[in-house]
Amino acid sequence: EVQLVDSGGGLVQPGGSLRLSCAASGFTFDRHAMSWVRQTPGKGLEWLAYISGTSLETFYADSVKGRFTISRDNAKNSLYLQMDSLRDEDTAVYYCARGFWSGYYTGFDYWGQGTLVTVSS
Amino acid sequence: QSVLTQPPSVSGAPGQRVTISCTGSSSNIGAGHDVLWYQQFPGTAPKLLIHGDSSRPSGVPDRFSGSKSGTSASLAIAGVQAEDEAAYYCQSYDSGLSGRWVFGGGTKLTV
Repeated sequence: EVQLVDSGGGLVQPGGSLRLSCAASGFTFDRHAMSWVRQTPGKGLEWLAYISGTSLETFYADSVKGRFTISRDNAKNSLYLQMDSLRDEDTAVYYCARGFWSGYYTGFDYWGQGTLVTVSS
Repeated sequence: QSVLTQPPSVSGAPGQRVTISCTGSSSNIGAGHDVLWYQQFPGTAPKLLIHGDSSRPSGVPDRFSGSKSGTSASLAIAGVQAEDEAAYYCQSYDSGLSGRWVFGGGTKLTV
């Protein structure tokens, strides 16, 4: 059974940093691209970052480019999101999601349970 | 605000057919990119409901169906049930400036 378990969320002050983790199991981790997606009541679902199975390719949404870094450790079946220079508007539930392949990565077939990040002074 | 446009809410009586629309543009749905649909219950993660415009993953009831035409897509629920009350999101890939994987704002289905 595919399982993704998100962790690392919490309360952080504006300008601070946080590192999210996602522990994967039930599939061959290094054969799948992974992404981080966040959800806020106001903006809905927003894709943030993508990393290929080999880590050779990474892409970022403009809203987080230069502030967030996606990485993975295939030996540990883990995905990470380093978030720096956090802003109030980064407050959201953050999900890791497995890429769904259909000739190219069209979307996401499995999601973690989410971890809440609150940016506030 | 979302790249893909969905109605905020729809409703239907048990047993009725309900449809949810998703409107995009020439850089995403209109470019021929696949449309995916997700179902989300409060406090839980989204679950893949439809991929490849109209294909259902294993375990998804056949009362859920998807279609696409031009720059729009639709999710239909035939014979809606009380357990289908949830939020539904469409998603596609965008080859323009909007970001690579884009979502609709979500539609709350009330049964």
